[in-house]
Amino acid sequence: GDSVTQMEGPVTLSEEAFLTINCTYTATGYPSLFWYVQYPGEGLQLLLKATKADDKGSNKGFEATYRKETTSFHLEKGSVQVSDSAVYFCALRPNQGGKLIFGQGTELSVKP
Amino acid sequence: NAGVTQTPKFQVLKTGQSMTLQCAQDMNHEYMSWYRQDPGMGLRLIHYSVGAGITDQGEVPNGYNVSRSTTEDFPLRLLSAAPSQTSVYFCASSLRASNTEAFFGQGTRLTVV
Repeated sequence: GDSVTQMEGPVTLSEEAFLTINCTYTATGYPSLFWYVQYPGEGLQLLLKATKADDKGSNKGFEATYRKETTSFHLEKGSVQVSDSAVYFCALRPNQGGKLIFGQGTELSVKP
Repeated sequence: NAGVTQTPKFQVLKTGQSMTLQCAQDMNHEYMSWYRQDPGMGLRLIHYSVGAGITDQGEVPNGYNVSRSTTEDFPLRLLSAAPSQTSVYFCASSLRASNTEAFFGQGTRLTVV
């Protein structure tokens, strides 16, 4: 069945460092791909999305590109801030509809 | 602009008790779902609904019931609480089931003792 695998955390970075969180997926067809962020004590919020191959989603300095050939949707940010400390979830939704499938989540901690 | 509202935010139950977690959305979304979040396991789907009167099971439905009598509301019932149901529960809604983002509630932290 469909699945999402993302790199294990926690990831600890210094402020202004470059961030990559790897995400790969297994799915039939062309799913939509999402990154959600969960700040401490809160629900999940959509960070960015891409609905077809080669689409790039971007928001708040974060980017991810839908790579069909490598079945990946890695999250990147050029310069992280302390306020980016959160748990990040990669997710997919099948093109034909249905449930969101989440990865395990990656905790990011950014130190001043 | 309420979005998805969950109540309560925190709950402690004794083993064997029953309770209902409430979820309401004001965005006229067709699709609603319940997830539980456990450390190291991401979010797992409990039940979902594609519209009023229609519900179906997700990955981990045992011990939970749902109903969808209106478009707005999607309550989750714990029939007889067990310690294994200690978790954080999230309700989510989407305009449709396909290719649309999900909006999440703030979560309910449930402890079963």
